[in-house]
Amino acid sequence: EAGVAQSPRYKIIEKRQSVAFWCNPISGHATLYWYQQILGQGPKLLIQFQNNGVVDDSQLPKDRFSAERLKGVDSTLKIQPAKLEDSAVYLCASSTRLSGGGSYEQYFGPGTRLTVT
Amino acid sequence: AQKITQTQPGMFVQEKEAVTLDCTYDTSDPSYGLFWYKQPSSGEMIFLIYQGSYDQQNATEGRYSLNFQKARKSANLVISASQLGDSAMYFCAMRDGYNFNKFYFGSGTKLNVKP
Repeated sequence: EAGVAQSPRYKIIEKRQSVAFWCNPISGHATLYWYQQILGQGPKLLIQFQNNGVVDDSQLPKDRFSAERLKGVDSTLKIQPAKLEDSAVYLCASSTRLSGGGSYEQYFGPGTRLTVT
Repeated sequence: AQKITQTQPGMFVQEKEAVTLDCTYDTSDPSYGLFWYKQPSSGEMIFLIYQGSYDQQNATEGRYSLNFQKARKSANLVISASQLGDSAMYFCAMRDGYNFNKFYFGSGTKLNVKP
């Protein structure tokens, strides 16, 4: 089965510019996550979708970041305008279920490395 | 408050020896899951092992085992017979809550395996 796809893999922009990242989860995975991973740190959850609805966006800087998953499949994360501190790897992950127990782990994409100059 | 704490920023281990990576967690929910991920320099996150809060036995997956001490709220990863390819960042993570499956990650431990 195909894994989580992300594009682009790398992006360099100047501060105050805008940028968008795309993620296509594993087929059939209802839950999709966007993480920000700053160099030397663990991933920080930005937003979590169940199908096309937002479950948690408490750590998303909503003044500049937005995300959507319109048809409950692929998703786009946008930053407008970018700041220097947004330089990070943006990871997308998906999993099969939202609630309940079990070992259904997240499957991660390769990430998009963003550099803001 | 930190949900996941990894106190070892970096570790060295000799090839073929065992190593333990520490992880403590904080939650008041009785139902939770604990995960370990490996992140090589290439950047991908690779799932290693899972432990459920109600599991009676410690999880094992090949050379990986999870030393789960519920009362101490610790979930240490043990890698036996270290290999050069084990050199990577290791992240402990927790899925908190029976609903919504919110994940929290620790700050990671950089493991270096010496030949």
